[in-house]
Amino acid sequence: DAGVIQSPRHEVTEMGQEVTLRCKPISGHNSLFWYRQTMMRGLELLIYFNNNVPIDDSGMPEDRFSAKMPNASFSTLKIQPSEPRDSAVYFCASSSYRGPEAFFGQGTRLTVV
Amino acid sequence: QKEVEQNSGPLSVPEGAIASLNCTYSDRGSQSFFWYRQYSGKSPELIMFIYSNGDKEDGRFTAQLNKASQYVSLLIRDSQPSDSATYLCAVNWGNQFYFGTGTSLTVIP
Repeated sequence: DAGVIQSPRHEVTEMGQEVTLRCKPISGHNSLFWYRQTMMRGLELLIYFNNNVPIDDSGMPEDRFSAKMPNASFSTLKIQPSEPRDSAVYFCASSSYRGPEAFFGQGTRLTVV
Repeated sequence: QKEVEQNSGPLSVPEGAIASLNCTYSDRGSQSFFWYRQYSGKSPELIMFIYSNGDKEDGRFTAQLNKASQYVSLLIRDSQPSDSATYLCAVNWGNQFYFGTGTSLTVIP
């Protein structure tokens, strides 16, 4: 299996622009997570999907953030409009009911200037 | 409030020594606990996990759970320079993974 695939790996954008991050979970996994990692706050859980349905989005920082999972093999995290304080590494992870652990993608390093 | 806390370190140990990492968690309802390793610029990768019913040993790594005190520990025996990384503790609540901020470990040759 190719693992969790995220794109792009790096994104540099100007303040106010829309940013879309993409994630393909491991085939057969039914849970998907979006995390944001910064030096100050560590890994923060933003949103959790189970069977393509958003279960808990209490970690989404503001209405500027939105996430979708239109099918079992694809999810997006969108920031509109982006701000410099959104600069961080965003990770997508997936897990299966067959095993307790979560597997991470390589992350997207977002820089908002 | 579900919280996982770790000492950020840095923790330095000489090569061949035992490294001891700890984390505490806030909610007694958790059933599974995880240790991830993250090298600089890379994504977290699972080292091992334990359930609430016991400790676990895997090669040089041992994970231990103290339910009464609500903390989880990771022991790394015969530490190697390649073990230098940030170690993240995670707790699963309601099928969601909550992470501590990580402990930076440096193994000195």
